[in-house]
Amino acid sequence: DSGVTQTPKHLITATGQRVTLRCSPRSGDLSVYWYQQSLDQGLQFLIQYYNGEERAKGNILERFSAQQFPDLHSELNLSSLELGDSALYFCASSGDLRHGYTFGSGTRLTVV
Amino acid sequence: GENVEQHPSTLSVQEGDSAVIKCTYSDSASNYFPWYKQELGKGPQLIIDIRSNVGEKKDQRIAVTLNKTAKHFSLHITETQPEDSAVYFCAASIGYGGSQGNLIFGKGTKLSVKP
Repeated sequence: DSGVTQTPKHLITATGQRVTLRCSPRSGDLSVYWYQQSLDQGLQFLIQYYNGEERAKGNILERFSAQQFPDLHSELNLSSLELGDSALYFCASSGDLRHGYTFGSGTRLTVV
Repeated sequence: GENVEQHPSTLSVQEGDSAVIKCTYSDSASNYFPWYKQELGKGPQLIIDIRSNVGEKKDQRIAVTLNKTAKHFSLHITETQPEDSAVYFCAASIGYGGSQGNLIFGKGTKLSVKP
């Protein structure tokens, strides 16, 4: 157990729908990162939050949004889903400089 | 922004042989270079990392080297075992986490160790 918890583990939904993925960071970590992993694109950085505020943005589509709540958990919202959004979505967290970045076990999203 | 290239994409070795995976990065400001191992159905797991003030780091059978001038770093696994079979990712970031930076990954290397 890495200490980073992601729910749900699996999600199957239809095109056009909206889903929410949840991440609880390792205890004490203030930063949360979201990554998308697809077969042909590897791990793509989507967005980073630090202590509730957006810190950096990567290749995140406008249909996707995220937020980090006062208890530091984060949610990634994916809307108007397309078949191409099917992927593994990972959350990572980081805190002090000794531990670097820790990943959760991911949410597998399948859009049908 | 940062771009990380990783080679080879697949690597097959005999048990007991060494394996080497190489990465190059583009942003000279990057100062943290971790390596992750990902097994099927699991999230990436940190196996070793190196910071830009160090040229080499070793942890048992795993070592990482960094050449800041050439902007490349490599993972070396000696005496490979079947349980080393997995996908390995290199990454680079400016900063070591916390409020700083975010990891940019290479596309991964699928390592197969044949018994």
